[in-house]
Amino acid sequence: AQSVTQPDIHITVSEGASLELRCNYSYGATPYLFWYVQSPGQGLQLLLKYFSGDTLVQGIKGFEAEFKRSQSSFNLRKPSVHWSDAAEYFCAVGAEVLTGGGNKLTFGTGTQLKVEL
Amino acid sequence: GAVVSQHPSRVICKSGTSVKIECRSLDFQATTMFWYRQFPKQSLMLMATSNEGSKATYEQGVEKDKFLINHASLTLSTLTVTSAHPEDSSFYICSASQTPNTEAFFGQGTRLTVV
Repeated sequence: AQSVTQPDIHITVSEGASLELRCNYSYGATPYLFWYVQSPGQGLQLLLKYFSGDTLVQGIKGFEAEFKRSQSSFNLRKPSVHWSDAAEYFCAVGAEVLTGGGNKLTFGTGTQLKVEL
Repeated sequence: GAVVSQHPSRVICKSGTSVKIECRSLDFQATTMFWYRQFPKQSLMLMATSNEGSKATYEQGVEKDKFLINHASLTLSTLTVTSAHPEDSSFYICSASQTPNTEAFFGQGTRLTVV
């Protein structure tokens, strides 16, 4: 069975500082990997995804993530954090592409990002 | 990008009543829809997967008679929480995808409170 671990429950960074959110996954083959962001009481917005190809993936809002097979990791990074980036971030793995499209996603427990001004 | 709309965003109901939550894909035809449940400060847990015109596939431990899912059209899926109890209070989120894409788009979620 697939699983996702986000070791950091809370992270606080200063505005303008760099950010790295950790994500480790467990799956026997090459997974589909996603990072989502959730604001309070809201749904999820996709930041970026990895399916295959270049292991460094660029996403929206200046985020990027690097797939490292040897470490089973897919860490999310941003060189300079903005106050509006404060939110909950979820890493997810999807292993099975369904006939009708989409993956059955397994989510990590999330990392709450706080940005200090 | 693709838009998924979920309604209502918040609902409060009395214990023992049923509540219906709608999930609509506004600008694409959703062949597959997913329903997730999120407890406060916890992650999302997949409840069920539904394909248009067929019965939903429920994850282990999810009561299919309690959480009724209908995916009658390519743009609408509904989740009905039957005989709701306070322990059913949670944040319910749907997502939708379209063949052959592997990405699913999420609705804004529904906060259910059972009193």
